[in-house]
Amino acid sequence: SQTIHQWPATLVQPVGSPLSLECTVEGTSNPNLYWYRQAAGRGLQLLFYSVGIGQISSEVPQNLSASRPQDRQFILSSKKLLLSDSGFYLCAWSVSRTYEQYFGPGTRLTVT
Amino acid sequence: GEDVEQSLFLSVREGDSSVINCTYTDSSSTYLYWYKQEPGAGLQLLTYIFSNMDMKQDQRLTVLLNKKDKHLSLRIADTQTGDSAIYFCAESGGTKAAGNKLTFGGGTRVLVKP
Repeated sequence: SQTIHQWPATLVQPVGSPLSLECTVEGTSNPNLYWYRQAAGRGLQLLFYSVGIGQISSEVPQNLSASRPQDRQFILSSKKLLLSDSGFYLCAWSVSRTYEQYFGPGTRLTVT
Repeated sequence: GEDVEQSLFLSVREGDSSVINCTYTDSSSTYLYWYKQEPGAGLQLLTYIFSNMDMKQDQRLTVLLNKKDKHLSLRIADTQTGDSAIYFCAESGGTKAAGNKLTFGGGTRVLVKP
C-alpha cells in the first residue's frame, strides 16, 4: 500500500533562516506531488505541484521554492524565512489514473 | 478563478444527522471531494463524487450534488463524537495534464455534543 511521509513534524525557525521540508511517497511510481499551506487551521492554499521529476509548477508568488530530485521525493525550501511563512505545510500525492489525492501528516512551522 | 465556500461552524448532538454544505463556482468542476481533518493531523479523504452523479452513499456518509446550483452537501448519519473535526470541500477540473489541482473551501468545523 502507499504511504506518504513528511519531516520534520514540527519546526521552529528564526526569521531569516533557511528552510527545507521533505516529503516522500512509498508504494507508487510517477505520482503527482503537491505542497499546500494551511494557515490558522483553516483552508488550504496550493503552493506547488509536480507531475514529474524536475517539473515544478508554482501557484502563488512567494518566498518559497520546491524541487523534485527523485520520482517520489518533493522538497519545499526557502533561503530566508519570513514571519508570514508560519503555518501547517501539507504534502499530497495522486496518480494520474485516478482523481484521489492523499495527504501526509503535515509539518507545523513556526517562524519567530 | 475558482471559488469554494463553506459555512464556518456546525454543532450537532450525538446520534443526530449532520449536513455540511458547500458551494462552488467553477462550472467545469469534474470531481468534488470531502476531506476530514482532525486536530494537528493531515487531511483524510472521505469520499468524492464525479460531476455526472447526483448522489453517492458510503456507509454513514451521503454526498448530494446539485450541479445546476453548484451545491454539494455531505450528510453524516448517526453522528458520533469521533466525527468532530474540520471538514473540507474541494473541487477539481480533473485535468490530468494540469496536475489535477484541487481548490479547497475554508472548512467547516463540526462539533458533536454528547
